Amino acid sequence: GAGVSQSPSNKVTEKGKDVELRCDPISGHTALYWYRQSLGQGLEFLIYFQGNSAPDKSGLPSDRFSAERTGGSVSTLTIQRTQQEDSAVYLCASSLDPAHGYTFGSGTRLTVV
Amino acid sequence: TQLLEQSPQFLSIQEGENLTVYCNSSSVFSSLQWYRQEPGEGPVLLVTVVTGGEVKKLKRLTFQFGDARKDSSLHITAAQPGDTGLYLCAAKGDMRFGAGTRLTVKP
Repeated sequence: GAGVSQSPSNKVTEKGKDVELRCDPISGHTALYWYRQSLGQGLEFLIYFQGNSAPDKSGLPSDRFSAERTGGSVSTLTIQRTQQEDSAVYLCASSLDPAHGYTFGSGTRLTVV
Repeated sequence: TQLLEQSPQFLSIQEGENLTVYCNSSSVFSSLQWYRQEPGEGPVLLVTVVTGGEVKKLKRLTFQFGDARKDSSLHITAAQPGDTGLYLCAAKGDMRFGAGTRLTVKP
């Protein structure tokens, strides 16, 4: 596609439920990143995929968070047993070459009630 | 991992004023990128600076990379309400961003 697409754009879930957030990167971009942005804050790095290499999971805040990238394209971020502190905007970005910057999606706004 | 410090954290000015925001680190960058994020959107790349001492201009925005490649600044001339947003810096090869400067330009 022309840009990075994220779905859903908004998600309200009850505490304790699992959620899945989807990211469709720009076709051909080998690198994919997930970030979390709490209200009024900067970007918190979560996880990074590069081609077929093992992902860099160093930013995942707990074992309730996981992500996968199928076929080197679409990625899903899963949050299990959601907590209120998980409420944030989750942003996905892709890149062909980090030297040329990241292209971000518009994010998924997650609200845990 | 290079820690990027941005300042100021918040900046509120009147339309027409000039401003400068900063991105600093104790480490040397191979290159540095500036992004602007508007409400409800993802960050958008403004510029990449690569060479120490480099100056790049984007209309009313002037980006400078320090000679030692440890710091960078963004200067906006005659700010407009459309410049309002979160300005973020990121170093090449490091997935982490600075905390950003939240700029508000009042009409």
